[in-house]
This record gives sequence, structure tokens and C-alpha cells, in this order.
Amino acid sequence: EIVMTQSPATLSVSPGERATLSCRASQSVSSNLAWYQQKPGQAPRLLIYGASTRATGIPARFSGSGSGTEFTLTISSLQSEDFAVYYCQQYNNWPPTWTFGQGTKVEIK
Amino acid sequence: QVQLVQSGSELKKPGASVKVSCKASGYTFTSYAMNWVRQAPGQGLEWMGWINTNTGNPTYAQGFTGRFVFSLDTSVSTAYLQISSLKAEDTAVYYCAGLVASDAFDIWGQGTMVTVSS
Repeated sequence: EIVMTQSPATLSVSPGERATLSCRASQSVSSNLAWYQQKPGQAPRLLIYGASTRATGIPARFSGSGSGTEFTLTISSLQSEDFAVYYCQQYNNWPPTWTFGQGTKVEIK
Repeated sequence: QVQLVQSGSELKKPGASVKVSCKASGYTFTSYAMNWVRQAPGQGLEWMGWINTNTGNPTYAQGFTGRFVFSLDTSVSTAYLQISSLKAEDTAVYYCAGLVASDAFDIWGQGTMVTVSS
């Protein structure tokens, strides 16, 4: 079973600053990596898939990078609506399995 | 538009069963897999498994075998999650999620809160 580890658990950032979130896989997942944003009381929202492709309607300030076992989500200039919990997720095409990381909370500094 | 609408919150006693529904609209239901995700209070997301909406074949993740059953009614474009012999630790929000425009979960239901308490 592939284990996804996110760091840090909590990230304190001021509005307008850059945020960098990390996700590590216990073994290579190629580029089969997605990022989600979840706000309190809401369902998660897909931000990035294929490690670096923005989902429909996602602002350009969100970018993803990495492959293999090391991945990064960067938010270039944090807006007030970006304070949330972010999850990475790996997906294996066959047999289809998906695994989430434990999440990183981005909070206002 | 493409959306998933889930059934409402449930309060159940330990040992009872619950069935959560997830109705799809705006796309061809049988063309895309449906997944189920659990989120316990204050915790992260946990993938429970998926069901092939074309064949009805379910696949359960580790820890979700035995008491958890995925099913479909394709005539009404609806997926179901049934949990039997409920325990307090089953208290969680349960989401259905689909892959329509990408190979990740790009559509989500609003979530169904299941509370198990005596």
C-alpha cells in the first residue's frame, strides 16, 4: 500500500505571501498525483491532477510540480479564500486505487 | 450542470444499518466510476473504494470490507453506500466522488453526515 505523507501539518502564511506545500509518496506514483482544497463544512475541490494540470476554473496562482515520490503545491500569492486544508492524493491506474495524504492546513499568520 | 446530490443526514443506533444515496446528473452515469470517501469528525479524507457504474462491480479499500456495500440503480443514475452493524466509529461524513473530466475526483457530492449514537 502506498503511503502519502504531507508536510507541514500546519502552515501559517500572511495574505499575499507564497505558500509551498509538500507531499511525499512511499514509492513512485509517476505523475498520478492530485491536490484538493477543502474548506470547513464543504466537500473537497479538485485543484490539480496529473501532478501539474490545473482543473477547470482553478486560478493560475495554484501550481503543482514533481513526479515519482516528491510533489509540491505552490500558491503564489495567498488570497483570503485560500485559507483551507489541502490534501494530496495518489492514484494507481490498475488496479484502481487512490490514497490521500493526511492534509496540510494553511492558516492566516 | 454536472453534479452529484446526496441524501440527507442520518442518526442511527449502534447495530443498525444505513443507506446513503448519490444521484448523478448532467452526464452519462454509466460512463464514469463512482467512488466513496469517508471523513471522520476533524479528520482527513479516506478512500473507501469504488464501483464500476457500467458493470456494477465494486472494489473495496482495505478496512472497508464486510460491512460496507456499494450498489447502483442505473435507471435513476444513483449510487448507494450501505453500512451494516453500525458502530460509533462509523460516525463521519460520507462523500461520493466521480471522475468525469480528469483522472482525479473532479465532481463531489455535498456529503452525508452519518451519526451513530445510542
